[in-house]
Amino acid sequence: GAGVSQSPRYKVAKRGQDVALRCDPISGHVSLFWYQQALGQGPEFLTYFQNEAQLDKSGLPSDRFFAERPEGSVSTLKIQRTQQEDSAVYLCASSSPSRGIPYEQYFGPGTRLTVT
Amino acid sequence: AQTVTQSQPEMSVQEAETVTLSCTYDTSESDYYLFWYKQPPSRQMILVIRQEAYKQQNATENRFSVNFQKAAKSFSLKISDSQLGDAAMYFCAYRSGEGTYKYIFGTGTRLKVLA
Repeated sequence: GAGVSQSPRYKVAKRGQDVALRCDPISGHVSLFWYQQALGQGPEFLTYFQNEAQLDKSGLPSDRFFAERPEGSVSTLKIQRTQQEDSAVYLCASSSPSRGIPYEQYFGPGTRLTVT
Repeated sequence: AQTVTQSQPEMSVQEAETVTLSCTYDTSESDYYLFWYKQPPSRQMILVIRQEAYKQQNATENRFSVNFQKAAKSFSLKISDSQLGDAAMYFCAYRSGEGTYKYIFGTGTRLKVLA
């Protein structure tokens, strides 16, 4: 497909379980971002990759959150020992600075995580 | 640190009428970009319009236009000839001209379009 895809679209986890959320960016996009969107709020930045390098992880809320992008394409956001406050929509976005446009980000449909 | 404020949690507009959504931001940077994104119930964020801070001319995309007041740090979105399909959450976003290019979002404005 031409857009950013994310899987699963919905995930229900029991408190304490580990979860893994996947993002497939637009082919050729160098930059990849993860955001967390709580109910009724705007998205908040979690982490940023340029190719396989994680250049900014300042938004990750705790050391239970871990993200990787080992081959510079697909990325996985992992949350260990999930807590109820982790319930949110997790958005992935990609962009391509090489195109010379002002770095607009293209978003996926998100994964809604509910921790019970 | 940069902040983005959307002071209108919800707005309503009659179909075919015009509505303006407000956004203010705070920054000490001179190089930055501003965006409006639309998020329908399906959740996929769609870019509506963007504005480069160095450009004085307001951006326009069909029925969507912005009023960019750099000195006042204001970036409002005007939707003309509103359509039922415009109903969604609208987010204003700020992006620095350097660094990691992450977006800083406002809290959003829910737009209802009345038939």
